[in-house]
Amino acid sequence: SQKIEQNSEALNIQEGKTATLTCNYTNYSPAYLQWYRQDPGRGPVFLLLIRENEKEKRKERLKVTFDTTLKQSLFHITASQPADSATYLCALDPGSSNTGKLIFGQGTTLQVKP
Amino acid sequence: DARVTQTPRHKVTEMGQEVTMRCQPILGHNTVFWYRQTMMQGLELLAYFRNRAPLDDSGMPKDRFSAEMPDATLATLKIQPSEPRDSAVYFCASGRTLGTGSDEQYFGPGTRLTVT
Repeated sequence: SQKIEQNSEALNIQEGKTATLTCNYTNYSPAYLQWYRQDPGRGPVFLLLIRENEKEKRKERLKVTFDTTLKQSLFHITASQPADSATYLCALDPGSSNTGKLIFGQGTTLQVKP
Repeated sequence: DARVTQTPRHKVTEMGQEVTMRCQPILGHNTVFWYRQTMMQGLELLAYFRNRAPLDDSGMPKDRFSAEMPDATLATLKIQPSEPRDSAVYFCASGRTLGTGSDEQYFGPGTRLTVT
């Protein structure tokens, strides 16, 4: 069956460290993968998109990798801050091109302690 | 600062009542999505539209849910009759599908529905 898996356990790290979140998928062949941030009581907010032919993408303190062989994306936040505390969702297109449809993982909650 | 708006933000209703949720997508966006989010299931896609035409509503219980886009500025999601298991946060999102398959979605603030 098709699945997107993110670590359901919360990730607790100390301020200033690098947070690494994992997104694994099975039985999909996505052309791209996206990461969103969701704060309590709010809708998800787009952060980064990476295409299947890109190994890595960066935006300020954020870095995303995409390994289509391992069927995995890693999301890194360097020099983490308490304000980075939120739930992070990965999403991918399920292979049906040009529809804009996304399938979301359950999300991983990140807690950055001062 | 363009945003997706949703009304109402909160809705408490009794089982069996009709519920209508509304969404105003960002002007110029041609794709609209309806999602439901619960702790158990996460964010589930219910239905989506492109250029106001329904593309896929396979995620929606057809017997009680319906989604429409009467015009480009309004999308509605209706539940009739509502049941306690429908309690969730319902999000609307819009996007601009360019045909490249790489479209970010802009989410509204959600409607928190409680059915008693």
